[in-house]
Amino acid sequence: RKEVEQDPGPFNVPEGATVAFNCTYSNSASQSFFWYRQDCRKEPKLLMSVYSSGNEDGRFTAQLNRASQYISLLIRDSKLSDSATYLCAVNMGGGYQKVTFGTGTKLQVIP
Amino acid sequence: DTAVSQTPKYLVTQMGNDKSIKCEQNLGHDTMYWYKQDSKKFLKIMFSYNNKELIINETVPNRFSPKSPDKAHLNLHINSLELGDSAVYFCASSQEGLAGGYEETQYFGPGTRLLVL
Repeated sequence: RKEVEQDPGPFNVPEGATVAFNCTYSNSASQSFFWYRQDCRKEPKLLMSVYSSGNEDGRFTAQLNRASQYISLLIRDSKLSDSATYLCAVNMGGGYQKVTFGTGTKLQVIP
Repeated sequence: DTAVSQTPKYLVTQMGNDKSIKCEQNLGHDTMYWYKQDSKKFLKIMFSYNNKELIINETVPNRFSPKSPDKAHLNLHINSLELGDSAVYFCASSQEGLAGGYEETQYFGPGTRLLVL
């Protein structure tokens, strides 16, 4: 099993739709979780951290399910500008900040 | 006021050559990283330095040698370049912090696109 696994997509959704991505992780001792966004030919940028209680930032909601070892990202009312690759990232713990990234899920929002 | 900068942005070179990529951050962070993103977009950590000390050294050929002259700089030297080294190399930095904290956010540089011919 890969350390961090994501469905690569692509997810093609119409504007205004709600879309959800999941990301599973293998190490139950993982400490912290993140969603990054990467636009084509650009660097990854933090979208949001994922907290145990779940957290929301505008149209974006992140959830953590420790029992099933996955995190999710929900995007409501999709905009064309949301088109990007979404990378989940997991700090496996064990001291220093070794963050393992998933391969990313590509989202294409279509008019 | 670029936070994490890398040079060069593009690097095209012949097999067998030696090349270096430089990275600088002005965020005052203690930890810096090198990642490799291949053609399948998989972002894999190579090295990490904390206050000039090597703390993460993944399974990387020893043709790759990182060097951190101070905590704001992390360079990557690659000897005897091979076709498979073609990728985008990202530098990143983060504040050293307790696990689970937002300070673990990694800030990435714009990437260096390396093409080995």
